[in-house]
Amino acid sequence: GQNIDQPTEMTATEGAIVQINCTYQTSGFNGLFWYQQHAGEAPTFLSYNVLDGLEEKGRFSSFLSRSKGYSYLLLKELQMKDSASYLCAVIKLTGGGNKLTFGTGTQLKVEL
Amino acid sequence: DTEVTQTPKHLVMGMTNKKSLKCEQHMGHRAMYWYKQKAKKPPELMFVYSYEKLSINESVPSRFSPECPNSSLLNLHLHALQPEDSALYLCASSQEGQARGNEQFFGPGTRLTVL
Repeated sequence: GQNIDQPTEMTATEGAIVQINCTYQTSGFNGLFWYQQHAGEAPTFLSYNVLDGLEEKGRFSSFLSRSKGYSYLLLKELQMKDSASYLCAVIKLTGGGNKLTFGTGTQLKVEL
Repeated sequence: DTEVTQTPKHLVMGMTNKKSLKCEQHMGHRAMYWYKQKAKKPPELMFVYSYEKLSINESVPSRFSPECPNSSLLNLHLHALQPEDSALYLCASSQEGQARGNEQFFGPGTRLTVL
């Protein structure tokens, strides 16, 4: 089965740092993605981890520990436009398309 | 061109109507996907096409019928839907094979309302 959990909501202040956690228990693992989704819009790619460790990309960093079934997304220097839903997703190669299973999603609200 | 397009943006249909959702990409991706997303929930995978062949059907009711006419196009035919099928329908595409860097690119979605 697939079980991917995230906190439902988080609130942070503009300019601050926020960490969004994701824990997973899945049958099959070929990597973990983080997507950002603004209300009414398509999810957009933020980061990808397949090996343990930290991947940094500008204001966004993502960490993976495969042994712990754990990832986090770190957002620095928060801006108002970062208010959105953040989705972690585990990918599994099937030999016929890549199966992406999303976590429950975290709604982030950035305040002044 | 790194865009996935979907038409229409909004669709309202009755339970006896037949309609189709369309999706197009010109990134040379050979895997295409349909997802259903209810409000405040994550996207749920419905179908996967790989090299224009249906490879995954996540036990979706037969009132949803996917079609992949060629490597750039993906359709979702709708018939006899129920009000609970109202949702945002997202199309996505990706490269096939190795997962690294093969993120799925999503279209803007079709907001479907079934009356």
